[in-house]
Amino acid sequence: EVQLVQSGAEVKKPGESLKISCRGSGYKFMNYWIGWVRQMPGKGLEWMGIVYPGDSDTRYGPSFRGHVTISADPSITTAWLQWSSLKASDTAMYYCARLTGAGNFFEYWGQGTLVIVSS
Amino acid sequence: DIQMTQSPSSLSASVGDRVTITCQASQDIYDFLNWYQQKPGEAPRVLIYDASTLGTGVPSRFSGRGSGTNFTFTISSLQPEDIATYYCQQYDTLLRSSFGGGTKVEIK
Repeated sequence: EVQLVQSGAEVKKPGESLKISCRGSGYKFMNYWIGWVRQMPGKGLEWMGIVYPGDSDTRYGPSFRGHVTISADPSITTAWLQWSSLKASDTAMYYCARLTGAGNFFEYWGQGTLVIVSS
Repeated sequence: DIQMTQSPSSLSASVGDRVTITCQASQDIYDFLNWYQQKPGEAPRVLIYDASTLGTGVPSRFSGRGSGTNFTFTISSLQPEDIATYYCQQYDTLLRSSFGGGTKVEIK
């Protein structure tokens, strides 16, 4: 059974760094793109970017390039989303999700990680 | 970057009604268009992929059509369990993607 298990909720202060994780199981992790989707409180879904664990190839959405780093380590079947300096506007639910083998849609989703950034 | 304009942003309909949501792309995206359903407190799930293909286990009252820049998503007979927000999503051959703004569906 394919599963994506995300790390727990975080409460951070502006300016702090953060790295949240998404651990995959039940499939060959290195062979499927994994992506991150942001959902700000009461708002819609935003595509942040994807990473291919097999060679660390990454694609970013224009609003997120330079603001977050997406990475993955196939040896521990884990993908990460990280910030070097959080802002209050980063407060959101973050979902990881796995693309199909064809790369055309997100087939499996994590449970979400709530990030709250507040002074 | 491809922009997706989804409408309406919300709608209210009766059980049994036919519901239609549209999504317009800022440029030709062929049939690289998916539709997701998100219920409160849950992660999204795909209902339709590649514009018109029904996802695994998805009821047949859901359908999608379109190509190029104009796409529609239809619920043929709205059920109480269909209360959710629906999103279109486009992707390109480099796997870059974006979502539409969402449509919140409520029961009248």
